[in-house]
This record gives sequence, C-alpha cells and structure tokens, in this order.
Amino acid sequence: RKEVEQDPGPFNVPEGATVAFNCTYSNSASQSFFWYRQDCRKEPKLLMSVYSSGNEDGRFTAQLNRASQYISLLIRDSKLSDSATYLCVVNRDNYGQNFVFGPGTRLSVLP
Amino acid sequence: NAGVTQTPKFRVLKTGQSMTLLCAQDMNHEYMYWYRQDPGMGLRLIHYSVGEGTTAKGEVPDGYNVSRLKKQNFLLGLESAAPSQTSVYFCASRPAGREYEQYFGPGTRLTVT
Repeated sequence: RKEVEQDPGPFNVPEGATVAFNCTYSNSASQSFFWYRQDCRKEPKLLMSVYSSGNEDGRFTAQLNRASQYISLLIRDSKLSDSATYLCVVNRDNYGQNFVFGPGTRLSVLP
Repeated sequence: NAGVTQTPKFRVLKTGQSMTLLCAQDMNHEYMYWYRQDPGMGLRLIHYSVGEGTTAKGEVPDGYNVSRLKKQNFLLGLESAAPSQTSVYFCASRPAGREYEQYFGPGTRLTVT
C-alpha cells in the first residue's frame, strides 16, 4: 500500500462545476500537509497548505481529518485554467526532509 | 531571479554511460533536493542536502551520487546508467525555516536505452 494515495482520475468536469479530490495517508505521525499543482510537463508548484481547522484560498478549500488520515481539496466554480494534476503531499516530520508525494489526480475542465 | 534552473532539459543515454545533472538556485536556499517522477507514481526523493558540503540519502538513492560543493549548486550523477533510470528528474530548493514550500526546477527528461 502506498503511503499517500489519491483518486487517480481523470476528472472531466464542465466549467463552473465544483469538484473534490480525496487523499489518504498511512503514516499517523505525519506532521504537515499540502496540495501542489502540476501542469502538463511542468514542475510542481505549491497550491496551498492544509491546516487542521480547514482553510480556504479563493475558490479552493482544503480540509484535514487527522483521525481518519484524510485530506481533501474542493475547487468551486472551476475554470479552464484549473486543468492540471493535483498532488497531495505529506510531510513526515517538522524538518522538511520527508516529503511524501501522492501520485496525483488529473483534472480536465471542459468548456 | 532565475529561481531554480536545471541543465540539461533533455538527454538520451545508452546503458552504461555516465552523466551529471546540474541544479542551480539563486535564492540562497539552504536545502536542496533531487526527485524522480515516474508515471503513476509520486515524486520520490533520491538525495537531499541541508547545506553546503552535506548530502544525505532519500528514498531511492541506489545508482545515484550527489555533491554540493557550492551552496547554489546541487549535482546528481549517474555513474552507469540503466533503463530503470529513465525518468523525469526534478530539483527543488527551500529556505531554512519554511519547510512547507519547495521551489522546483523545470525538470530534466532522461531516457536510457
């Protein structure tokens, strides 16, 4: 079993739709959590950190459930420019040396 | 600032050949990382460095060596390339005290035939 698992997708949604991605992690000692975005054939870029209380950044909302070891990302009012692969990332410690990346979920937003 | 740059962008090697991938960052970051990304798998950490002159093994270090002689550069070497090393290699860096954000280079696509 992979340490970080994600819905593989692809998710094909129309513009304006709301879409949610799920991620589960197996290491209960994991300290911090993130969502990265990776465009086709490009490098990953930080989208947002995920806090225990849940956090929002514009159309994006991230949730963390430590008890269930589950992270989610909700995108509202999808734009064409949201088409990308979304990577769930878990940091095993507080020192940044133990980032574990999920395989990613691909999203295509269709006109 | 150029951020994180990687050289070369593409390379094709024959089995048994050697090569060095160069990563450079101009942000004065302490930490640098080398990852590989394969289809259907997340990025996997090969080696990392917490400062000039120091390196450490990550999750998949076999077949690779690294050096960090200067703070701004992190080199990844393949001494004897194998087809299993066909992958996209990403370098990343981050400043001390900000473990949540790694800045990635554009990647190097390596094919070993």
